[in-house]
Amino acid sequence: QITLKESGPALVKPTQTLTLTCTFSGFSLTTSGVGVGWIRQSPGKALEWLALLYWNDDKRYRPSLETRLTITKDTSKNQVVLIMTNMDPVDTGTYYCAHRQAGSSGTWFDPWGPGTLVTVSS
Amino acid sequence: SYVLTQSPSVSVAPGKTAKITCGGNNIVRKSVHWYQQKPGQAPLLVIYDDSDRPSGIPERISGSNSGNTATLTISRVEAGDEADYYCQVWDSSSDQWEVIFGGGTKLTVL
Repeated sequence: QITLKESGPALVKPTQTLTLTCTFSGFSLTTSGVGVGWIRQSPGKALEWLALLYWNDDKRYRPSLETRLTITKDTSKNQVVLIMTNMDPVDTGTYYCAHRQAGSSGTWFDPWGPGTLVTVSS
Repeated sequence: SYVLTQSPSVSVAPGKTAKITCGGNNIVRKSVHWYQQKPGQAPLLVIYDDSDRPSGIPERISGSNSGNTATLTISRVEAGDEADYYCQVWDSSSDQWEVIFGGGTKLTVL
């Protein structure tokens, strides 16, 4: 059974750096094809993909946020970390990590962690 | 980048069929995935690769993809189907590979 859980600060100040950790079980990031993604959702808004990390350390970022995002992994701890710099109140929302699945021509996410709410405010 | 367009809301009476659409340029050439999100919960995958159902998803939930529109169909709608539904694709058509989500459709069961 695959499970994921996000952790990190609930409140950050504008201009600060956010560090979120996704701790997972039931799979290994050393296995070919495996990946972990980060997706966020502002209150009342749609899902917004942020970043994706593959087993081979390949990384993909949302183009509009690429300069602010870093995704890394610690395979020994079964963790994936997302770092977002220069936080702004518009970055307030629930941040999810999810297990990446793939088929012949696509990538999807299943399952997802429960999410962690991050509020950006002074 | 690639854009997915969903109607903001769909309403349907219990027992009827709900169709939720996801529009995109030549979307038939992409694999479309669908998520259900109930209030206060994380998204749940309900359809992947256009029309495949994960284990545990009822057969009355189905998907199709043709032309410029992918469709999520929920037959014999129940009160428990009331949720937001999001479509998603993987876009590798530009130099920037990225995951794209639609804007979501709120399904209301009357």
